[in-house]
Amino acid sequence: DSGVTQTPKHLITATGQRVTLRCSPRSGDLSVYWYQQSLDQGLQFLIQYYNGEERAKGNILERFSAQQFPDLHSELNLSSLELGDSALYFCASSVDSTMLAGGPQTQYFGPGTRLLVL
Amino acid sequence: KNQVEQSPQSLIILEGKNCTLQCNYTVSPFSNLRWYKQDTGRGPVSLTIMTFSENTKSNGRYTATLDADTKQSSLHITASQLSDSASYICVVSGRGGSYIPTFGRGTSLIVHP
Repeated sequence: DSGVTQTPKHLITATGQRVTLRCSPRSGDLSVYWYQQSLDQGLQFLIQYYNGEERAKGNILERFSAQQFPDLHSELNLSSLELGDSALYFCASSVDSTMLAGGPQTQYFGPGTRLLVL
Repeated sequence: KNQVEQSPQSLIILEGKNCTLQCNYTVSPFSNLRWYKQDTGRGPVSLTIMTFSENTKSNGRYTATLDADTKQSSLHITASQLSDSASYICVVSGRGGSYIPTFGRGTSLIVHP
C-alpha cells in the first residue's frame, strides 16, 4: 500500500459526459501528479500540483482540468468524454516539487481509476 | 523529440534465472532515470532512481546501471521469483525544457515455475 488513495476504482460512463476523479496523497506529501495509461500510449504525464498551485503541465487535453485543494487532495475533471479517453488514470505524490527538476524524491503511485467510456 | 525505447517488449524466464532489461533514451540534457515495476492493474512502484553521476544502483535483487555517454540503462534481476512477473518501465527526465518525464512502453516479464 503506497498510502495514496484514489476513488473511484472503476468508472463507466458515456461519450459526452463529465467525470471527476479524486486523489488523496500520502500524509506529508505536498505534490500531486496525474498520469494517464492507455494500451496504445503507455503512461503519460498529465499535470502536477504543488501545495495547491499548478507546477507542470504535460500532455493534458483542454477538455481535462485538475485542481489541488487546501487539504492537499486533488481532483481530475474529464469533460466531453470520448471513446479514446478510456484508460487507467493514476495519481502519484511526492514530498516536494523538485522531482520534475531532477530531485531524487521517490514518487508514490495510487492504485488508479479505470475509466471506460462507452 | 525525447524518446525512451525499451527492449525486449516481453520476456519469459524460468524461476531462479537472471535476466536483463534494456532502456535506451534520447532525452537531453539528462537529469535522472527511474525504473518502475508495475503489476497488472496496479500503480507503478519505484525500484531505482539514478542521476547523471551514478552508474549503478541496487535495490535487493534489482540492479540498475546507467551509461550517460551512450544514453543506455539496464535493469538486472537476479534469481528471479514468480512475484517478479510484471511490467518494468523506464522513465527519463531531462533538465530545463526537457523536465517532463518521458516513459518507455515497458518490458513485460513473465516468470514461470
